[in-house]
Amino acid sequence: AQSVTQLDSQVPVFEEAPVELRCNYSSSVSVYLFWYVQYPNQGLQLLLKYLSGSTLVKSINGFEAEFNKSQTSFHLRKPSVHISDTAEYFCAVSDFGSGNTPLVFGKGTRLSVIA
Amino acid sequence: GAGVSQSPSNKVTEKGKDVELRCDPISGHTALYWYRQSLGQGLEFLIYFQGNSAPDKSGLPSDRFSAERTGGSVSTLTIQRTQQEDSAVYLCASSLATRNTEAFFGQGTRLTVV
Repeated sequence: AQSVTQLDSQVPVFEEAPVELRCNYSSSVSVYLFWYVQYPNQGLQLLLKYLSGSTLVKSINGFEAEFNKSQTSFHLRKPSVHISDTAEYFCAVSDFGSGNTPLVFGKGTRLSVIA
Repeated sequence: GAGVSQSPSNKVTEKGKDVELRCDPISGHTALYWYRQSLGQGLEFLIYFQGNSAPDKSGLPSDRFSAERTGGSVSTLTIQRTQQEDSAVYLCASSLATRNTEAFFGQGTRLTVV
């Protein structure tokens, strides 16, 4: 069964500084990987996803994540954060082996951007 | 509909009472998930439905929890004899398929057991 580990529960960072939110997964088969974001008082929404092809995927608001199969990681990065990036970020995995499997989430990382 | 709709948005109930939470997925979505979100616990998978297949109930925490999906559309999550530890936000999501497509989430139902 898959599992997702988000190593940091909270990450405070100053505005315009870079940030990395870490995500590691375990699975016995090949996977699809996702990052979801939950802004304060809002529902979860997809930020970016890796399905196949290029291991580096990007969102429209400057985040990127790189799939590293050997390290079973999918860390999320942004070179310069804004106040508006303050939110909770969830990494998720789904395998594309045989059978149906649910989307499994990590416990989340709360990113707080400080002015 | 335009998005995943959940009702009620908030529910306060007395310990020992039964509650029903409703989820109306996006039209045409074959997969439907229920998750529970508690402070510091992230999103805990509860159950999911995919088309006409038997639901995956592996995440339900106890036999007090059950869910059904009628006609491949609306789903109801039922919690019997509620306990204080059931207090959480219950999230529903739907997608076109289980594996490689985006899951769309509702706003959730905040359940408080007093």
